[in-house]
Amino acid sequence: DIVMTQSPDSLAVSLGERATINCKSSQSVLYSSNNKNYLAWYQQKPGQPPKVLISWASTRESGVPDRFSGSGSGTDFTLTISSLQAEDVAVYYCQQYYNTPRTFGQGTKVEIK
Amino acid sequence: QVQLVESGGGLVKPGGSLRLSCAASGFTFSDYYMSWVRQAPGKGLEWVSYISSSSTTIYYADSVKGRFTISRDNAKNSLFLQMNSLRAEDTAVYYCARDWGSSGSYSDSWGQGTLVTVSS
Repeated sequence: DIVMTQSPDSLAVSLGERATINCKSSQSVLYSSNNKNYLAWYQQKPGQPPKVLISWASTRESGVPDRFSGSGSGTDFTLTISSLQAEDVAVYYCQQYYNTPRTFGQGTKVEIK
Repeated sequence: QVQLVESGGGLVKPGGSLRLSCAASGFTFSDYYMSWVRQAPGKGLEWVSYISSSSTTIYYADSVKGRFTISRDNAKNSLFLQMNSLRAEDTAVYYCARDWGSSGSYSDSWGQGTLVTVSS
């Protein structure tokens, strides 16, 4: 199984400041035949189901604010919130869909400082 | 718009069975892979199973293999999860999710979830 490890487990950021979440996979999730990274980022607010923010490591889903961006390739990935807003308080998860089981990271809780 | 509504959760004793359902609407259900993902109280997300659009490809997490069975009825736009030999560690909110694309990948739409509690 591919193990996904996120860091940090939690972070507190001031409103308007940058938040950075890292995700590392135990093996590459880059599919060489199409040069795509099979990595998604989800946001989960309290009492709500997850919502996909980023797919293919860096493709923002429709309707997702452009302050959210994804980067990285192979085994190391980053989700960046460029200017934290109050509504961004949530737990964020990375997930690989390179193979089964489709494993998730343990989650990173983002709070306001 | 895409809508996924889970049902069938509840309280069940260890060793018991439960069948979850997910009613889909707002998209052509038969074109999409579908998944179940669960979340134990206060914990992270755990992928459980997925099924291809025509039910020819099915995978399970090791933690449920041999106990859970995923199925679908494309004529009724419905996804199911039959859960047998339930254990306390199966206690979780179970989410039904649609997978993006014709061959499955990440989950781009999620239901609100249904709570399964396994306790004596």
